[in-house]
Amino acid sequence: DVKVTQSSRYLVKRTGEKVFLECVQDMDHENMFWYRQDPGLGLRLIYFSYDVKMKEKGDIPEGYSVSREKKERFSLILESASTNQTSMYLCASTLQQGIRYEQYFGPGTRLTVT
Amino acid sequence: QKEVEQDPGPLSVPEGAIVSLNCTYSNSAFQYFMWYRQYSRKGPELLMYTYSSGNKEDGRFTAQVDKSSKYISLFIRDSQPSDSATYLCAMISYSGNTGKLIFGQGTTLQVKP
Repeated sequence: DVKVTQSSRYLVKRTGEKVFLECVQDMDHENMFWYRQDPGLGLRLIYFSYDVKMKEKGDIPEGYSVSREKKERFSLILESASTNQTSMYLCASTLQQGIRYEQYFGPGTRLTVT
Repeated sequence: QKEVEQDPGPLSVPEGAIVSLNCTYSNSAFQYFMWYRQYSRKGPELLMYTYSSGNKEDGRFTAQVDKSSKYISLFIRDSQPSDSATYLCAMISYSGNTGKLIFGQGTTLQVKP
């Protein structure tokens, strides 16, 4: 079974703090993704990475950065947390081989910024 | 206009009913279609995956793709209370060689005993 783990299920931070969200996958997947999920807006892609040290912006990268130093680990960084970054953050890891495409999600981190 | 449209519901049905969940999309280049199920406070899990047009069946679940109408459906037969969840459709869009998913907003389903 593919396992995607996220460092925290619930997190409360103050405005202006630097926040690190960590994601680890155990299936040697090349591609990893960070999303945020908000009521009425669905899942929105923040950043993704297709290889170690490689990253691409998604649809809403402003206020976020990412780091992928090792293949199994993909970190999302909120440089200076703001209240509008209160959300559910979901990490995903993807197997992409030919027509086979399977994206596996972690359990999510519910972040509250006060 | 969003690339993928999905009615958010909520949809409430009695146990045993046949459920139909639907999405429309605008990009005719989409060829891979998925359905995810998400229980409350959990991450989405892959339910069904189809390539191009046609039907795919897995137990009580049937995924249907009509590329000519840009319309996909998920049917749940003999629905159970344990099927109560949010169902998200998704399609693959490519950025270079990397596929990324475009999700619908999700439909919340409640199956009442």
